[in-house]
Amino acid sequence: SQQGEEDPQALSIQEGENATMNCSYKTSINNLQWYRQNSGRGLVHLILIRSNEREKHSGRLRVTLDTSKKSSSLLITASRAADTASYFCATDGGGGGNKLTFGTGTQLKVEL
Amino acid sequence: GAVVSQHPSWVICKSGTSVKIECRSLDFQATTMFWYRQFPKQSLMLMATSNEGSKATYEQGVEKDKFLINHASLTLSTLTVTSAHPEDSSFYICSARDWGAGGNQPQHFGDGTRLSIL
Repeated sequence: SQQGEEDPQALSIQEGENATMNCSYKTSINNLQWYRQNSGRGLVHLILIRSNEREKHSGRLRVTLDTSKKSSSLLITASRAADTASYFCATDGGGGGNKLTFGTGTQLKVEL
Repeated sequence: GAVVSQHPSWVICKSGTSVKIECRSLDFQATTMFWYRQFPKQSLMLMATSNEGSKATYEQGVEKDKFLINHASLTLSTLTVTSAHPEDSSFYICSARDWGAGGNQPQHFGDGTRLSIL
């Protein structure tokens, strides 16, 4: 299945700045999820937003969802060096055992 | 929280060897587990959906005879890479969903297995 697109592919910011990552997808969804991956490790779930939700917050994370544009964004506020990782969006279409289709990912580097 | 354990974390072996990777859900039952493959600096590609007590569902282009999946219990799925060759070298990651937690739940991922075939 086709993957979603994320932009930017790579993002480098200074500690304390905000980081915004965008995700676009192609098909209808049940929910959209954001995951974080540190180099050489598995994925850690960050936020799940349902198709009928428009915005969700968790600590320094804010996710928006626009189903009419088939897009989502992840905002990390007051970034820290420890936020350096790859971030992936993934869509759950609801069928087929709730398979996830992952975006291309954004590599975030937060410099001191 | 839901924890998925994946072993081994790193394997180096000779070409022609078969390699088994285990994925366990430690504190929940997983009727369905997922196996992904990831190349360096790329996204995750779903290889197959592992179903407890039945045959796995493979994605298009994935050789079922090359990548054998067994899901014999509600907490364990195994992926065996048969007669591995250098082109099978990759990062393999499993995940599981806690169906008992209701709908709209995330997947929980293992830490991955880095497979290097010499």
